[in-house]
Formats: sequence, C-alpha cells, structure tokens
Amino acid sequence: ETGVTQTPRHLVMGMTNKKSLKCEQHLGHNAMYWYKQSAKKPLELMFVYNFKEQTENNSVPSRFSPECPNSSHLFLHLHTLQPEDSALYLCASSQDRGYNEQFFGPGTRLTVL
Amino acid sequence: GENVEQHPSTLSVQEGDSAVIKCTYSDSASNYFPWYKQELGKGPQLIIDIRSNVGEKKDQRIAVTLNKTAKHFSLHITETQPEDSAVYFCAASSPGGGNKLTFGTGTQLKVEL
Repeated sequence: ETGVTQTPRHLVMGMTNKKSLKCEQHLGHNAMYWYKQSAKKPLELMFVYNFKEQTENNSVPSRFSPECPNSSHLFLHLHTLQPEDSALYLCASSQDRGYNEQFFGPGTRLTVL
Repeated sequence: GENVEQHPSTLSVQEGDSAVIKCTYSDSASNYFPWYKQELGKGPQLIIDIRSNVGEKKDQRIAVTLNKTAKHFSLHITETQPEDSAVYFCAASSPGGGNKLTFGTGTQLKVEL
C-alpha cells in the first residue's frame, strides 16, 4: 500500500449523472494531485492542490470540479460527463510542491455510458 | 511546454536478460527525471529518479542514465525477473514547474520465462 486510497475503485455512470471520486492520503503530505490516464496516452495532470489551495488547473473542462477540504482529502465531482471521459483517474500526493516523490493511489476506473 | 517521448512502447525479454527503456525531453531547463512502475490494477510507483547534476544513478538491478546535452535519459534493468513485468513511465519536471511532471506514454515490459 502506498498510503493513498481512492474510492470507488470502479464507477459506471450515465452522461446525466452526478458522482464524486474520493481520495485520502495518510502520509501527512501537503500537496495532492488528480491525473487522468487513458489508454495509449501519457498521464495527464488535471489539478494540483498545495496546502488546500488549488495551484494548477490544466485546462480541465468545468464538468470536472475538484474539492480539497483539508490536506488529507481530495474529491473530484463529476457531472454531465461524455463517453470520452472514460479513463482511470489517479490521485497522488507529495510532501510539497518541490521535487519530491509523488505517491499514487490505485485509481478509479470510470466508464461513462 | 515540456514534451517527453518514450521508446519502445512494448518490450519483451527473456528472464535474466537486460532491458533498456529510453526517453527524450524537449525542455532544456528540466532537471528532475523520475521513473515509475505501474503493475496491473495499481497506481504508478516511483522506482528511481535522477536530477540533472548527476549523470547516473543505480539501485540494485535498476539504473538510470542522463545525457543533458542530448536531452535523453534511460532506464536499465539487469537480470530481469518475472515480477519486473509491468508498464514503466518516464517523466520530466522543470524548475518553477512546482513538481508538475510531464510523462512519457509508457513501456509495457514483459519478462518471459
């Protein structure tokens, strides 16, 4: 275990549904990240939070809405998604935004019908 | 922005042989280069990293080399074992990037008995 947990592990939703992904880190880190992993493509950074403040939004569509209530928890709220949003969504954390190891969770496999 | 290319996309070796994965990057300012291993059903896990002030780093059977002039870095795995079978990702980060990693597309390594 890496110390980063994600729930649910699998999610199937329709395009009109609203759902949320949850990430929790037990490492005492201050920075948290959301990545999208699609087949045959590099991991795409979506959002970065440092000390609960969003410091990076990598031109992500507004149908993805992140929330970071504290340094240990990170959410990704989903609404009116498209089939092309189907992917593995990975959460990661690091001590801070310096050049430190990023610890990844196991991911949530999302399928949009 | 940074662009990282990774080759090959798939690599099959016999157990005990060596495996080499190569990456090139475009931003000459990049100075941190981690390698991640992703096993089936898990998130990526850091296996080794190198900073631009070092040309080579070794950790048991794994080594990474960096050529700043040519802007490429490589992962070397010696005496491969079946448990080395996984997807390997290289990444690069530049100063001021705030630990924003740009990933390669991954290499599926298969170690055959």
